[in-house]
Amino acid sequence: DAKTTQPTSMDCAEGRAANLPCNHSTISGNEYVYWYRQIHSQGPQYIIHGLKNNETNEMASLIITEDRKSSTLILPHATLRDTAVYYCIVDSGYSTLTFGKGTMLLVSP
Amino acid sequence: GAVVSQHPSRVICKSGTSVKIECRSLDFQATTMFWYRQFPKKSLMLMATSNEGSKATYEQGVEKDKFLINHASLTLSTLTVTSAHPEDSSFYICSARDNSARGPQHFGDGTRLSIL
Repeated sequence: DAKTTQPTSMDCAEGRAANLPCNHSTISGNEYVYWYRQIHSQGPQYIIHGLKNNETNEMASLIITEDRKSSTLILPHATLRDTAVYYCIVDSGYSTLTFGKGTMLLVSP
Repeated sequence: GAVVSQHPSRVICKSGTSVKIECRSLDFQATTMFWYRQFPKKSLMLMATSNEGSKATYEQGVEKDKFLINHASLTLSTLTVTSAHPEDSSFYICSARDNSARGPQHFGDGTRLSIL
């Protein structure tokens, strides 16, 4: 079973920030938090990952709570092309990935 | 950035034929590659872990004689669906992790397999 919990779906208006939460209360000390997304009929796309510090790249920001039991992926200015299923996965970096059901983000005009 | 190429993107063939899908890491070496299967509106399910120079490791319930995996080089893994039947129709996706970095897996664009 996936070791993360995410809402099934979320809506966001185009141009607004999309904040996608993820709970991972059983995360181990050597596990990273990874975020991927899958646009319909494509392979998953890596977005960002982090261990305990907040991270930012050209796609998104990742905020990890101090106890590391939850995190939030932030898309600062969502566009229609950000409509996808977003997966939050905890991984040591050496093992296989277990995909849960993810969050279906719908960005509307 | 790291790129994984998967080919073909779509296959339509008759029942009983075998289909080979290729997965290549284009700008990094990957000792380990992964093969997933995805049914409509479902999440990705890991089928097997492909290990360069050795036998693949299959997940429970996946028939190794049905889904043949070969990982002959550090940049290429192949999945062959043997004697395919309509129930094998699915979206197959590969991924690879860069040997030199403890980082993310990079995924191919998937292969849509339709068996008539």
